[in-house]
Amino acid sequence: NAGVTQTPKFQVLKTGQSMTLQCAQDMNHEYMSWYRQDPGMGLRLIHYSVGAGITDQGEVPNGYNVSRSTTEDFPLRLLSAAPSQTSVYFCASRGAGTNYGYTFGSGTRLTVV
Amino acid sequence: GENVEQHPSTLSVQEGDSAVIKCTYSDSASNYFPWYKQELGKRPQLIIDIRSNVGEKKDQRIAVTLNKTAKHFSLHITETQPEDSAVYFCAAKYTGTASKLTFGTGTRLQVTL
Repeated sequence: NAGVTQTPKFQVLKTGQSMTLQCAQDMNHEYMSWYRQDPGMGLRLIHYSVGAGITDQGEVPNGYNVSRSTTEDFPLRLLSAAPSQTSVYFCASRGAGTNYGYTFGSGTRLTVV
Repeated sequence: GENVEQHPSTLSVQEGDSAVIKCTYSDSASNYFPWYKQELGKRPQLIIDIRSNVGEKKDQRIAVTLNKTAKHFSLHITETQPEDSAVYFCAAKYTGTASKLTFGTGTRLQVTL
């Protein structure tokens, strides 16, 4: 049981490049979310999903796309990277029911130059 | 949407003393309030949570209190130890959403010897 797995751990992009951050969980969790973490700003929600085929925007969705074709995977796509997207990205998941506690992945540190 | 404010942003206590971190939330319909601990370079980890039908919850040296009328909740750490040094985040979940957590901006706790 690996929990929530994120790849890559580190990435450097040039402005304008695109890439996909991968997130996979093996706990059969229905709910998955992507957060970005910036100094002094806590964790801000980018996109989230309540199940396969269902996604919705969080508070900072611009410049990012997501899809949820399977329960296990929830990739985050940066369409055209900008320096403002330099951040640490965390994927998180939780099961259905009354246990609302999210399990976080280990994060991806992204630098856009 | 939900807004969560967290204070203080930094807190320094001596080993053995107590630490208190406070959060306020804006939406009275919020019903779930978790606390996460994040050590340097690591992922956030859930340490305790409380639901809106409970006023207080304890787990060994940590406790969380909730005042629904005032819309604030607090984390209490007693007999602090150096390993308690970390950044702590509070969060709130609006009852109308299945999975959206809104986080506070974090408190950096330093426990000195």
